[in-house]
Amino acid sequence: GAVVSQHPSWVICKSGTSVKIECRSLDFQATTMFWYRQFPKQSLMLMATSNEGSKATYEQGVEKDKFLINHASLTLSTLTVTSAHPEDSSFYICSARDHLAVYNEQFFGPGTRLTVL
Amino acid sequence: AQSVTQLDSQVPVFEEAPVELRCNYSSSVSVYLFWYVQYPNQGLQLLLKYLSGSTLVKGINGFEAEFNKSQTSFHLRKPSVHISDTAEYFCAVTEDYKLSFGAGTTVTVRA
Repeated sequence: GAVVSQHPSWVICKSGTSVKIECRSLDFQATTMFWYRQFPKQSLMLMATSNEGSKATYEQGVEKDKFLINHASLTLSTLTVTSAHPEDSSFYICSARDHLAVYNEQFFGPGTRLTVL
Repeated sequence: AQSVTQLDSQVPVFEEAPVELRCNYSSSVSVYLFWYVQYPNQGLQLLLKYLSGSTLVKGINGFEAEFNKSQTSFHLRKPSVHISDTAEYFCAVTEDYKLSFGAGTTVTVRA
């Protein structure tokens, strides 16, 4: 149980285009999902917290107009990188928190590798 | 606010030797502690977690960790590593719903 999927697993796009990444909790309902960014050889940095039915909460320094987050259902959150540029190339990982969990364990997706040319 | 320090950025180790990865945290309140493993180009897999109770926590793949409140540490150990344990390991702490990660430790197991 507690499986989180991401789609696509990798994507290559041209500079200036937008890319949407999906994060799904497959066997549980997630009232809260998280989006992380990981540069090569570095740790995960939290970008935003996504709550079902409400606006996402962005971490300091993350442009909310560039990284659009939608959490329209209890099993799906999407991250859209708008007008992507090469510096947005990174590994994006989502996680989901089971709303029935008695503690704050997050279950992680397999990640999406974004390369902007 | 909490923070996590992983004291070793890289740990080379021979196959079947023991390994210890050090993690210290700072927090003003009680926390939950986690160790995750990440294989290349993959997401994070939970190795083990400390929520409460026994300070010695056993996880998957033969790993264990000990919570030491007085030293604010949560070191990860494995008595005998395999080549397949080569990966990146992250210590993490949460006070509320957010996870804060350490910088990671790269474990390279050599034959």
